[in-house]
Amino acid sequence: ILNVEQSPQSLHVQEGDSTNFTCSFPSSNFYALHWYRWETAKSPEALFVMTLNGDEKKKGRISATLNTKEGYSYLYIKGSQPEDSATYLCAFLVTGTASKLTFGTGTRLQVTL
Amino acid sequence: GAGVSQSPRYKVAKRGQDVALRCDPISGHVSLFWYQQALGQGPEFLTYFQNEAQLDKSGLPSDRFFAERPEGSVSTLKIQRTQQEDSAVYLCASSPALHQPQHFGDGTRLSIL
Repeated sequence: ILNVEQSPQSLHVQEGDSTNFTCSFPSSNFYALHWYRWETAKSPEALFVMTLNGDEKKKGRISATLNTKEGYSYLYIKGSQPEDSATYLCAFLVTGTASKLTFGTGTRLQVTL
Repeated sequence: GAGVSQSPRYKVAKRGQDVALRCDPISGHVSLFWYQQALGQGPEFLTYFQNEAQLDKSGLPSDRFFAERPEGSVSTLKIQRTQQEDSAVYLCASSPALHQPQHFGDGTRLSIL
């Protein structure tokens, strides 16, 4: 069984705070890691696809890093805004099962004024 | 529309009934995926199509679940003799190629009474 764990499960920050959360995954046979943002009543939206150890990707105030040797990825949000409130999901692919994304349970972020 | 479209948004059925869930992917997207999301969990992979070919159906929980994509565009997920444990949100996603970010629909929330 391939498990991906995300922490914390939920997070409540104030507008302007910077925050980060973690995605842990098995490091063997790693192929790719995906991050998605899922706002309530909307569909999940792709943020990043990361494949190389040491990858860093950025999209506006959101960035992510990847460590495939130790099996973790961090997602950072700088200067959180209320519109960042969503569930952030990570999912990974292993070689040999290239179609099967395995998702974590997500980190639910709430940003208040 | 420009995005992935799923119908119906909500479906209530009595235990034992058959249901059919529809997914219209983004035009031209070769890869199509179905996921099942139970309350409080991340999406779980059900099946994957490349054009009309179902290349991976390892996530289908039982032989009551059947998916098709006969012309390589619209896909239908059928659940026969529904059980209460089938209650979940069913998400469809498409991508231009297998390892590209996936574009999700809004999902179908299925409730089995």
